[in-house]
Amino acid sequence: DIQMTQSPSSLSASVGDRVTITCRASESDGSWLAWYQQKPGKAPKLLIYQASILESGVPSRFSGSGSGTEFTLTISSLQPDDFATYYCQQYNIFGQGTKVEIK
Amino acid sequence: EVQLVEVGGGFVQPGGSLRLSCAASGFNFDDYAMNWVRQAPGKGLEWVAGITWNGGTIDYADSVKGRFTISRDSAKNSVFLQMDSLKPEDTAFYYCAKDRCGGACYRFDHWGPGTLVIVSS
Repeated sequence: DIQMTQSPSSLSASVGDRVTITCRASESDGSWLAWYQQKPGKAPKLLIYQASILESGVPSRFSGSGSGTEFTLTISSLQPDDFATYYCQQYNIFGQGTKVEIK
Repeated sequence: EVQLVEVGGGFVQPGGSLRLSCAASGFNFDDYAMNWVRQAPGKGLEWVAGITWNGGTIDYADSVKGRFTISRDSAKNSVFLQMDSLKPEDTAFYYCAKDRCGGACYRFDHWGPGTLVIVSS
């Protein structure tokens, strides 16, 4: 079975910082990867699919890259609304999540 | 506007059953695969089950296979999750999630607010 490993599991950052989250897949499968944002008490929200395609309505400060077994989610300039937990997903497997907290 | 609303959660004893429903609106329900994803309190996301646009392909997580059954009803624009032989480890928020495709492409572009299932004696 495919396993998805995110790093770090949590991070502290300030408004305006550039933030990068990494997701590693145990097996390679092209660019079949999605990223979600989840805020406390809310359902997840799709940010990026197919590794780098921004979902409609998602701010351009979010970007995704990678292929094969290593993928990244980058927030170019962290905003107050971005403090949340982020999950990667390949097929029906989710990573364990990365919590982005205020420094 | 796409809307998904789950109902049917609640408190049940181990070994019991619950049936979750998800009512969909704002899109052509018959064109898209639908899924259930759960999240134990304070934990990460776990995909539970998925059904393609016409019900032709159904899949389950190993953790629920043989105990849970996903189905859909196009007349009611709804997807269901029948949960039998419930275990305490099934305690979670259960989300209904719409796929971006008719097949299983696992890109969940809309989610319901979730319904809480608690399995405890």
